[in-house]
Amino acid sequence: DTAVSQTPKYLVTQMGNDKSIKCEQNLGHDTMYWYKQDSKKFLKIMFSYNNKELIINETVPNRFSPKSPDKAHLNLHINSLELGDSAVYFCASSSRVGRGYEQYFGPGTRLTVT
Amino acid sequence: GNSVTQMEGPVTLSEEAFLTINCTYTATGYPSLFWYVQYPGEGLQLLLKATKADDKGSNKGFEATYRKETTSFHLEKGSVQVSDSAVYFCALKRMDSSYKLIFGSGTRLLVRP
Repeated sequence: DTAVSQTPKYLVTQMGNDKSIKCEQNLGHDTMYWYKQDSKKFLKIMFSYNNKELIINETVPNRFSPKSPDKAHLNLHINSLELGDSAVYFCASSSRVGRGYEQYFGPGTRLTVT
Repeated sequence: GNSVTQMEGPVTLSEEAFLTINCTYTATGYPSLFWYVQYPGEGLQLLLKATKADDKGSNKGFEATYRKETTSFHLEKGSVQVSDSAVYFCALKRMDSSYKLIFGSGTRLLVRP
């Protein structure tokens, strides 16, 4: 069973389009995250939801809008895609309890904007 | 602020060589520290962790010790294999309500047969 899954795995689209990436976790975690990894492998958090409530919202263009319909799902919608949005987007989840909690990552969605 | 600094890669080693990847951090309070590994084309996997000073995390032959006096969490392995080729990320978890993980820039390891 896949713990954290993302769809699609690859997404190629043109500038100006609107697209969504979906994430689901079956670990029973209460917190989910979106990260962006650029071409140099640098990883940066974008958003985090805890029990469907937004708790982390980094400096991200408002073209990016996360939505969490329930604790097990966190989707990312991107409007008016730009070339600079090309990256790998990772979803992750964790349990918001304890010092040593760990985040479990999905396999990533490689977004290419042409 | 909170930050993580890793040695730049790539690190290229022959099979069975000794590996060290340096990681130092800056943080307020007592963060938890992690090493994640990313194999080609995959997501990140937790490799090991340490939650307090002098703790040693270990997994799959890798080890790292939480050194508060030097603010370091260096990753070591006594004998690397070709299958260890990956990108390794050091990270810290802030001990506040943000529950953020702050990652280093990653170090690519290439192990040649």
